[in-house]
Amino acid sequence: DVKVTQSSRYLVKRTGEKVFLECVQDMDHENMFWYRQDPGLGLRLIYFSYDVKMKEKGDIPEGYSVSREKKERFSLILESASTNQTSMYLCASLGDYQPQHFGDGTRLSIL
Amino acid sequence: GNSVTQMEGPVTLSEEAFLTINCTYTATGYPSLFWYVQYPGEGLQLLLKATKADDKGSNKGFEATYRKETTSFHLEKGSVQVSDSAVYFCALPGSARQLTFGSGTQLTVLP
Repeated sequence: DVKVTQSSRYLVKRTGEKVFLECVQDMDHENMFWYRQDPGLGLRLIYFSYDVKMKEKGDIPEGYSVSREKKERFSLILESASTNQTSMYLCASLGDYQPQHFGDGTRLSIL
Repeated sequence: GNSVTQMEGPVTLSEEAFLTINCTYTATGYPSLFWYVQYPGEGLQLLLKATKADDKGSNKGFEATYRKETTSFHLEKGSVQVSDSAVYFCALPGSARQLTFGSGTQLTVLP
């Protein structure tokens, strides 16, 4: 079974901090994704990557950046956290064919 | 681009009741269609999928049929259990291998 591991289940940070969310997958998948989940809005794509050092903007990239230095690891970075970035963040990986495999999510609160 | 419209919730049912969650889509061609489930405090898990028109996906007593005539992929279960309480998401692939999700439907099953 594919395992996607997100480093934290719950995280509390302060406004203006730089925040790192880490995601690791164990299946040598090329494609990795970061989504944000908010009630009534479903999941929205922030960034994705289809190879090491490659990244593409999703639907809501503002205020975020990403890093993919190794194939198995995809990091989401909040450059200067703001309260409107309080949300559930979900990482996913994808091999040659759908479906995507998701981690358990990080519930991030920005105070 | 591809889009999904999902029945809004929340939905509250008694145990053993019949469940339908509506999902319609707009897409170019005939993409695979998915239902994901999110149990409390967890990430998303694939519940079922259908890869072509008239396919029926099924798992854990849930079923959904890919109907190209009505561009629908409604989720059904004949007799829900308390353990089915979760959020359900309809999804289809986008242009860059990401998934486009519906807004999610919260299901609560009462004993």
